[in-house]
Amino acid sequence: DGGITQSPKYLFRKEGQNVTLSCEQNLNHDAMYWYRQDPGQGLRLIYYSQIVNDFQKGDIAEGYSVSREKKESFPLTVTSAQKNPTAFYLCASRGLAGEIDTQYFGPGTRLTVL
Amino acid sequence: GQNIDQPTEMTATEGAIVQINCTYQTSGFNGLFWYQQHAGEAPTFLSYNVLDGLEEKGRFSSFLSRSKGYSYLLLKELQMKDSASYLCAVLDSNYQLIWGAGTKLIIKP
Repeated sequence: DGGITQSPKYLFRKEGQNVTLSCEQNLNHDAMYWYRQDPGQGLRLIYYSQIVNDFQKGDIAEGYSVSREKKESFPLTVTSAQKNPTAFYLCASRGLAGEIDTQYFGPGTRLTVL
Repeated sequence: GQNIDQPTEMTATEGAIVQINCTYQTSGFNGLFWYQQHAGEAPTFLSYNVLDGLEEKGRFSSFLSRSKGYSYLLLKELQMKDSASYLCAVLDSNYQLIWGAGTKLIIKP
């Protein structure tokens, strides 16, 4: 079955440590996205990539980094520079649902920094 | 700035009808999406409107008025499994999705 996988579902890290969240898709989609979701707020775009070896900052890129070396993979690194990293992180890719160009989401990773 | 407003929480009864409103002010408009998100899970696509009017899909319908910057999601014959958050998102002039904070819908027996 085609889809998007994110691992792990829950992640705990100590303050000051970098951590990398994985995102893999086998939908053959070109565009991929990373969002952060906090209680009471809409999804906020961290980074996005329209094509392999290219990515753009979103609205809240500070303290995060990404790479896009393969079409299937778009890992997100949360660095120690991110001041408030505890959140639910969602990865998405963009493709067609029938004739509608929409985003498909992975199951998310809940990161807790202790 | 860009802004999307939805009620924070709504309560409805199983078997009833509920309407979730969304108003938006964005730089450009290339369509409006509704997603459903169960607690701790990924959002899933429900509907898309780009022209004014009503789109019906089974128990769910979505309406758009571009001149008013307004949309609603209508859920009929509510079931307990419809308890979830409903997210409104607008595709802006840069083809980026701008998201509302979501409406938590609580269904009571």
